[in-house]
Amino acid sequence: AQKVTQAQTEISVVEKEDVTLDCVYETRDTTYYLFWYKQPPSGELVFLIRRNSFDEQNEISGRYSWNFQKSTSSFNFTITASQVVDSAVYFCALTNNAGNNRKLIWGLGTSLAVNP
Amino acid sequence: DTGVSQNPRHKITKRGQNVTFRCDPISEHNRLYWYRQTLGQGPEFLTYFQNEAQLEKSRLLSDRFSAERPKGSFSTLEIQRTEQGDSAMYLCASSYRNNEKLFFGSGTQLSVL
Repeated sequence: AQKVTQAQTEISVVEKEDVTLDCVYETRDTTYYLFWYKQPPSGELVFLIRRNSFDEQNEISGRYSWNFQKSTSSFNFTITASQVVDSAVYFCALTNNAGNNRKLIWGLGTSLAVNP
Repeated sequence: DTGVSQNPRHKITKRGQNVTFRCDPISEHNRLYWYRQTLGQGPEFLTYFQNEAQLEKSRLLSDRFSAERPKGSFSTLEIQRTEQGDSAMYLCASSYRNNEKLFFGSGTQLSVL
């Protein structure tokens, strides 16, 4: 069975702090995709990143970085120098190669509050 | 690219009434998805269209729910005889290919009184 666990329900930081959002997944598939989506208060889920299981390179995009470690089944997301606009709920999601988007398994999300 | 548009943004209805939501996906996207999201949860898959064909329905989708995508463009989701348990955010998303990123609309928040 597939499962995504985001153990941090809520995180509160002060602006300019670095913050890491944890994502641990379970799957028996050798080929799978991992995603992060951001859901700001407006409600619209926004795609952040997709990573396939064969690409363990870490990725950096501006203040955002992702650490994918198959050995620990984790796909953690770090925001450097957080800003108030980063306040949102962040979801980690998983699908296998055959399941595609209609079989996405979502975590419960981590609500991040960045305070001025 | 005007994004995925959903209407209405909010809908309040009385139990037993029928409601219909509309989703306009990004024009070149042939895949369209409906999800439902309740507070503190991730989205739950409801149904999926490839062009005009409804290829999959979740077991979550009871007989009171029906979705259409005529001509492979916009889609509608209808809920008949609404129940209080139907209260949720209904999200529409589209994509160009499988396993590619989803583009979501802002959702329709349904409240059944």
